[in-house]
Amino acid sequence: EAGVAQSPRYKIIEKRQSVAFWCNPISGHATLYWYQQILGQGPKLLIQFQNNGVVDDSQLPKDRFSAERLKGVDSTLKIQPAKLEDSAVYLCASSFDRNTEAFFGQGTRLTVV
Amino acid sequence: AQKITQTQPGMFVQEKEAVTLDCTYDTSDPSYGLFWYKQPSSGEMIFLIYQGSYDQQNATEGRYSLNFQKARKSANLVISASQLGDSAMYFCAMRNLNTGFQKLVFGTGTRLLVSP
Repeated sequence: EAGVAQSPRYKIIEKRQSVAFWCNPISGHATLYWYQQILGQGPKLLIQFQNNGVVDDSQLPKDRFSAERLKGVDSTLKIQPAKLEDSAVYLCASSFDRNTEAFFGQGTRLTVV
Repeated sequence: AQKITQTQPGMFVQEKEAVTLDCTYDTSDPSYGLFWYKQPSSGEMIFLIYQGSYDQQNATEGRYSLNFQKARKSANLVISASQLGDSAMYFCAMRNLNTGFQKLVFGTGTRLLVSP
């Protein structure tokens, strides 16, 4: 079974630029998560989708971050404009449903300079 | 609200010995799930073990076992016969399971170093 795929693995951008991350969850998984993990901290949930609907985006900085999950499969997370404090690893995860374990991708390491 | 606390920033263990990683949690929901994940230097979060709040027995998965003490609100991970490949960050997480779409909340993690 293929795991959660994320791209790119690494990205370096200047502040005020925009960036987008892509995630392809495990086939059949209805729930998709985007987490932000700042160095030395645990992952923080940014947004959670159930199929193609948002069920939790309470910690998403909506003035600069946006995410979508068209057709309930792939998802993209965008930051525009980026700030220095956005430097982090962005992890995508999926689960069969809201109660089962989440499986994570390898993450995208973003560096904002 | 849910909260996970991992008080050990780092732990050291010798190869082949057992180690316990601490995790305490706080929730007002009677139905919840507890998870442990391993994060090696490659960055991927690897699911290790799950314990439901109503499970009668402590969860075990190979060399991993979960010491679940509900009254103390603790869910410590025990790794038996440590291997060099166990060196990684370990995160405890929980999710309330009642109505609604409850988020999976993580602790700050414990870095485990296994020495030869």
